[in-house]
Amino acid sequence: AQSVAQPEDQVNVAEGNPLTVKCTYSVSGNPYLFWYVQYPNRGLQFLLKYITGDNLVKGSYGFEAEFNKSQTSFHLKKPSALVSDSALYFCAVRDLSGGSYIPTFGRGTSLIVHP
Amino acid sequence: GAVVSQHPSWVICKSGTSVKIECRSLDFQATTMFWYRQFPKQSLMLMATSNEGSKATYEQGVEKDKFLINHASLTLSTLTVTSAHPEDSSFYICSAREVINEKLFFGSGTQLSVL
Repeated sequence: AQSVAQPEDQVNVAEGNPLTVKCTYSVSGNPYLFWYVQYPNRGLQFLLKYITGDNLVKGSYGFEAEFNKSQTSFHLKKPSALVSDSALYFCAVRDLSGGSYIPTFGRGTSLIVHP
Repeated sequence: GAVVSQHPSWVICKSGTSVKIECRSLDFQATTMFWYRQFPKQSLMLMATSNEGSKATYEQGVEKDKFLINHASLTLSTLTVTSAHPEDSSFYICSAREVINEKLFFGSGTQLSVL
């Protein structure tokens, strides 16, 4: 079984400050992890993914995520937030040892960046 | 990059009518497409998995006779909401799976409003 949790419904940060959007996961085997962003009235866009290799993954728009196996986390980060980063962020996981190739999505975290 | 086109982006219909939503992968072949439903401030709820040339696999609780899915070609999947009712009003999103790197590419979504 695979599951993912985004413990925060909303994250507020001032423009220019670093941001973190949290994600923890649960899988039986090794995880394949993703972050997607959804802007208002738009579909989801791929940000980054992790399957193996360096624990720090760099993605689109200056975002990065750190894979932490011991804490089963894959938090999304950005050193300096922009107002335009305000959107809904989804973490997703797929169990590489499972038979299904369908990822499970978290419930989403609304990021609000204040000017 | 890969593009998924979803049409219409917005549709208003009378109760009892049927609505068809199209999802096309424009520059890649998608043997598998997914249909999601998204309620306000909630995550994506997977409705069904659509495989080209075969019957769709519906998630538990999703009425297959109400939400008809057809995946007749490697680039097109359609979702038909039959005899729509106000409770079917929602944001519907399709996605296509790129086999090589397992990325999901999402359509821009369809906001369905049933009067």
